[in-house]
Amino acid sequence: SQTIHQWPATLVQPVGSPLSLECTVEGTSNPNLYWYRQAAGRGLQLLFYSVGIGQISSEVPQNLSASRPQDRQFILSSKKLLLSDSGFYLCAWNLGQGASDTQYFGPGTRLTVL
Amino acid sequence: GQSLEQPSEVTAVEGAIVQINCTYQTSGFYGLSWYQQHDGGAPTFLSYNALDGLEETGRFSSFLSRSDSYGYLLLQELQMKDSASYFCAVRGGDMRFGAGTRLTVKP
Repeated sequence: SQTIHQWPATLVQPVGSPLSLECTVEGTSNPNLYWYRQAAGRGLQLLFYSVGIGQISSEVPQNLSASRPQDRQFILSSKKLLLSDSGFYLCAWNLGQGASDTQYFGPGTRLTVL
Repeated sequence: GQSLEQPSEVTAVEGAIVQINCTYQTSGFYGLSWYQQHDGGAPTFLSYNALDGLEETGRFSSFLSRSDSYGYLLLQELQMKDSASYFCAVRGGDMRFGAGTRLTVKP
């Protein structure tokens, strides 16, 4: 069965510090991978989308970047965090268009920037 | 551009029926999905409509009209545990979510 891992579960970082969040998927091959951010009580904002290794589509979050060094690994990074980067970060995967088209979410990382 | 509109809040009582509407505007469309998210948790998949019509899964049903760019989620026999946020999502080239509808079920 498929599993998606995200870590850490919670993170408190000072403004200006770097960030690295990792997401890995098990039990499937060539998934589409996504990073979303959710502010408290709000919807999910799509940050990055990847259809394959090294292929990243960005919704232009200004100080965030993403990388996909392996088929089932997706990394979200920042060189210098801003206060506005606080939120709930969710990694997700799906297999593309299809009858069920289920999006599977990881447990999320709750980031607080102070 | 892409946009999804859904009501921000809905309140109902146990045992009632609730309909959460979603209208969308997208450059590409493969289907409309619905997700449930409890406070502090990750969203979980409820249903998916690629074609017009009604899909039923237990107490939950979802409807799609592609010509109207409209869909809804119908929750029947509401239970307290159904209190959560519900998101519609559109599958185009990627997956986009609405802002969510917070459902509160009261005794």
